[in-house]
Amino acid sequence: GENVEQHPSTLSVQEGDSAVIKCTYSDSASNYFPWYKQELGKGPQLIIDIRSNVGEKKDQRIAVTLNKTAKHFSLHITETQPEDSAVYFCAPRHPNAGNMLTFGGGTRLMVKP
Amino acid sequence: DVKVTQSSRYLVKRTGEKVFLECVQDMDHENMFWYRQDPGLGLRLIYFSYDVKMKEKGDIPEGYSVSREKKERFSLILESASTNQTSMYLCASSWPGGDGYTFGSGTRLTVV
Repeated sequence: GENVEQHPSTLSVQEGDSAVIKCTYSDSASNYFPWYKQELGKGPQLIIDIRSNVGEKKDQRIAVTLNKTAKHFSLHITETQPEDSAVYFCAPRHPNAGNMLTFGGGTRLMVKP
Repeated sequence: DVKVTQSSRYLVKRTGEKVFLECVQDMDHENMFWYRQDPGLGLRLIYFSYDVKMKEKGDIPEGYSVSREKKERFSLILESASTNQTSMYLCASSWPGGDGYTFGSGTRLTVV
């Protein structure tokens, strides 16, 4: 099956700084690359995703970049705010796994005011 | 607003008890999933279902079973609860071939 690793496992930044979380996957056939945000006491929520035919996607302060050759994709958050503090999960999908996502171990982001 | 509802936010059960965790979705999704979440281990898939009365084992099915009698409801059953099943349990649903999962808020189960 797919092997997914996220780095770093924890990240602390000052409010206004940028944050980058990297996700490495093992199966080159993976074709869909989402990021989920889990706030305290809630379930994960999809915040941005990208498909294998696109290199970068932006949505206001967040962006996802994909490097298929190196088999990794990254979440970029600019101008971080305290409400960005949460656990973030990557979850690449392999086409032969139906609709199954394989979740990374998560990154705890702390934004200090 | 679309929803996945888990019946309990917190549960405390005794070792050996049979435990039912209920999940209901109102989006008419075919696919439903049960995960457990433990610190440092991310989300691990227990069981999933692509249709009514259909179930498939995930990565860690031991000690669990599931039931899907109706499309909107997917139940996780701990046949005989043990302390190592103390965890956060998350239910999710999606369309077949769809991209995003919609998660419930989770049930934090403590087995004493």
